Amino acid sequence: GNSVTQMEGPVTLSEEAFLTINCTYTATGYPSLFWYVQYPGEGLQLLLKATKADDKGSNKGFEATYRKETTSFHLEKGSVQVSDSAVYFCALIYNAGNMLTFGGGTRLMVKP
Amino acid sequence: GAVVSQHPSWVICKSGTSVKIECRSLDFQATTMFWYRQFPKQSLMLMATSNEGSKATYEQGVEKDKFLINHASLTLSTLTVTSAHPEDSSFYICSASVHNEQFFGPGTRLTVL
Repeated sequence: GNSVTQMEGPVTLSEEAFLTINCTYTATGYPSLFWYVQYPGEGLQLLLKATKADDKGSNKGFEATYRKETTSFHLEKGSVQVSDSAVYFCALIYNAGNMLTFGGGTRLMVKP
Repeated sequence: GAVVSQHPSWVICKSGTSVKIECRSLDFQATTMFWYRQFPKQSLMLMATSNEGSKATYEQGVEKDKFLINHASLTLSTLTVTSAHPEDSSFYICSASVHNEQFFGPGTRLTVL
């Protein structure tokens, strides 16, 4: 079956540090890949997505590239801010109507 | 963009009562909606897939008689936690699927005393 593996947190960084959160997946075929962010006490918000190999999703300074050869979708940001503190979920989906498969989530804490 | 709302955002109830949570797609029609449960500091656990006009598909280990799901229209799905107990206290999140993407509601925090 499909699965998503994320690096375990928490990840603690100082403001303006470089961020990488690793995500790898196991799936047959060509899933779409997503990063969601969850701020404290809130639901999930889509951060970025990529639907095919070599696509790069980007939003709010975050980037992730769909790497078919390494089955990875690592999240990166060049300079984190305190407001980026949240839980980040990597996920995949095959086609419309099918369920998302989530990674375990990675908590990011950014200190001023 | 696609917006999904949930109501209520939080609810506190006594043990043994039933609680209904609504999930609405505000600006699009969703033939499929999903219900998730999230425990503190954990990932989302899919409870069931709700298809408009048909019975929900429950994940293994989820009691269908306890978590009643109704998807009566293309914009509304409801989750009813029947005879709630403290162990049902959790964060419940719905999502609606359209164009190979899911849009999430803000979640409902249920506390059962």
